[in-house]
Amino acid sequence: KNQVEQSPQSLIILEGKNCTLQCNYTVSPFSNLRWYKQDTGRGPVSLTIMTFSENTKSNGRYTATLDADTKQSSLHITASQLSDSASYICVVSATPGGSYIPTFGRGTSLIVHP
Amino acid sequence: ETGVTQTPRHLVMGMTNKKSLKCEQHLGHNAMYWYKQSAKKPLELMFVYNFKEQTENNSVPSRFSPECPNSSHLFLHLHTLQPEDSALYLCASSQTGIDSPLHFGNGTRLTVT
Repeated sequence: KNQVEQSPQSLIILEGKNCTLQCNYTVSPFSNLRWYKQDTGRGPVSLTIMTFSENTKSNGRYTATLDADTKQSSLHITASQLSDSASYICVVSATPGGSYIPTFGRGTSLIVHP
Repeated sequence: ETGVTQTPRHLVMGMTNKKSLKCEQHLGHNAMYWYKQSAKKPLELMFVYNFKEQTENNSVPSRFSPECPNSSHLFLHLHTLQPEDSALYLCASSQTGIDSPLHFGNGTRLTVT
C-alpha cells in the first residue's frame, strides 16, 4: 500500500531560526514528490517538485532534498519568518498505468513565534 | 486569488438537508478534483474528472454526488449527510499530466449537525 509519513507532526520555532521537515514514503513506482504549503483557512500551494533524478531543489528560503534510494525527502526552511507558520504537506505520485494518483502525508504543522 | 474559487466558504447543514458545493477554475485546466480534509488525517481523494468525464470514484458514499457540466465547473451535491462528514472540502484543478501541480481552492468548511 502506498504511504507517506511525515515528521514531526508539529514544530514550534523562533523567528529567524532554521528547521527541517521530514518525509518518508513507500510509493511505487515513484514518479515525483511535491511539498505543499497550506496556510490556515486556505488551500495547499505547491512549493517544489522533485523527480527521480533530482537531489536538491531550492525555492527562495525553502530547500527540498530527495534520496530516492532510501525513499526520503526533507524540506529545509532557512531564516524562518512569521509567514512560514503553516502546514507543510508531502505528496508523492506514482504512475500505475500512467494515471496521476498522488498520496498525501498528514502534514507537519509549523508555528513560528516572534 | 488562487485561480480556483469555491463557494460557499462555510456551510452548516442538518442531516436531512440537501446542499451543493460549487467550484470554478479560471486556469484553463482539463482535470478537476474533490478532496476531503479532516483533522489529523491526510487529504482524501473523492472524485476526479478529466475533460468532464469522471475517471475516479474513490469508494465515496452515494450521499455525495459530483457533477461536472464543463471543464471549468465542478459541483458536489450533498444529501442526508452524517456528522462524521464534517470536514474541509477542497476542490483542485490541474493540467492532465504527471508533473502538473494541483491548484487548490480555499475550501468549504462543512459542519453537519
